[in-house]
Amino acid sequence: QSALTQPASVSGSPGQSITISCTGTSSDVGAYNYVSWYQQHPGKAPKLLIYDVSNRPSGVSNRFSGSKSGNTASLTISGLQAEDEADYYCNSYAPGTTLVFGGGTKLTVL
Amino acid sequence: QVQLVQSGSELKEPGASVKVSCKASGYTFTHYSINWVRQAPGQGLEWMGWISTNTGNPTYAQGFTGRFVFSLDTSVSTAYLQISSLKTEDTAVYYCARDLGIGQLITWGQGTLVTVSS
Repeated sequence: QSALTQPASVSGSPGQSITISCTGTSSDVGAYNYVSWYQQHPGKAPKLLIYDVSNRPSGVSNRFSGSKSGNTASLTISGLQAEDEADYYCNSYAPGTTLVFGGGTKLTVL
Repeated sequence: QVQLVQSGSELKEPGASVKVSCKASGYTFTHYSINWVRQAPGQGLEWMGWISTNTGNPTYAQGFTGRFVFSLDTSVSTAYLQISSLKTEDTAVYYCARDLGIGQLITWGQGTLVTVSS
């Protein structure tokens, strides 16, 4: 099972909105609403931001939102803040493999 | 609060074995599966597989069969990852993570760095 495809890097200025894409196939992202997004700061464990495409766990800021269209899921961060600078990963349920991650996206806040 | 606490860093020689523990607290251990995720230095997250804490049945991702074993001790709410015949390319941080049901990794351990070097 190939990894999901994410852009290697994105950037934005404080206050702006950015979107990170996560492209899979009709067998994983496109077939199921089991896409999650994680934030990872250097040296720290990942943190779940979004699950089941668009749901936020308790305590996660509503500046983070998720969506999906076809085989591509997206994470949008609005009102960009300095502390949002981190690596972001998506994952998806994939029958046969069960779970597959994206390659990760480094977000730089300018 | 819900947390997963992993064992400390390990330095091993090639060919040795290592066992990483992941102790759960704050919830009923047998209600949620435990996943294992590897992160090599400077690399992304790689799903290794999961173990049902209800049945003890493990599922391994491609590339993690043979030398990798997931196990449990439900009496102490702890999951284990054992890696045998260690190779230098096994050097990585290994995370355990609690699963909400289908890949939603809601709670993560702090990670265990395993370094394989002669």
